[in-house]
Amino acid sequence: QSALTQPPSASGSPGQSVTISCTGTSSDVGGYNYVSWYQQHPGKAPKLMIYEVNKRPSGVPDRFSGSKSGNTASLTVSGLQAEDEADYYCSSYADSNAGVFGTGTKVTVL
Amino acid sequence: QVQLEQSGAEVKKPGSSVKVSCKASGGTFSTYTVNWVRQAPGQGLEWMGRIIPIFGITHYAQNFQGRVTITADKSTSSAYMELRSLRSEDTAVYFCASGPYTSSPEYWGQGTLVTVSS
Repeated sequence: QSALTQPPSASGSPGQSVTISCTGTSSDVGGYNYVSWYQQHPGKAPKLMIYEVNKRPSGVPDRFSGSKSGNTASLTVSGLQAEDEADYYCSSYADSNAGVFGTGTKVTVL
Repeated sequence: QVQLEQSGAEVKKPGSSVKVSCKASGGTFSTYTVNWVRQAPGQGLEWMGRIIPIFGITHYAQNFQGRVTITADKSTSSAYMELRSLRSEDTAVYFCASGPYTSSPEYWGQGTLVTVSS
């Protein structure tokens, strides 16, 4: 199972929006609506931000939104804030009951 | 809200094994899937496998097949990950993660650093 492909970095000014892509195959992202997104600050455990493509766990701001088209999922962070600066990872359920993470994207708030 | 407490850091020799524990409190342990994820220094997240404690069913990533065993003890609300034939590339922080959403664990342990060095 190969890692899902994400851009290494993304950036935006406070108040702007940033969108991160996550590209897989029909065996993972394209085949299941079980795409999730995690935020990770340095030295911390990942935090679930989006599950099942576009659902937010309780407590996650609605500035975070997810979508999917074909084999590519996307995370959009609107109204960027300083605390959004972190690494972001997508994840998907995959064939043979497997799981797979993306390569990770470092988001910088300029 | 489920809290996951992992065992402490380990230093192991190449070729040996390590067993990391993960104890849950504050929620329904046996009905949630427990995943194990690792992160090598400066690298991304890597899914290793999962267990559904109520059924004892396990699934493993192909990269770890034959080298990893995940178990659970419902009586103590604990899960365990054993990795064998350790090599230097296995040096990483190992996380357990669980929660109610399919394939999207919401609750994470604090991580356990495993260092493999001769």
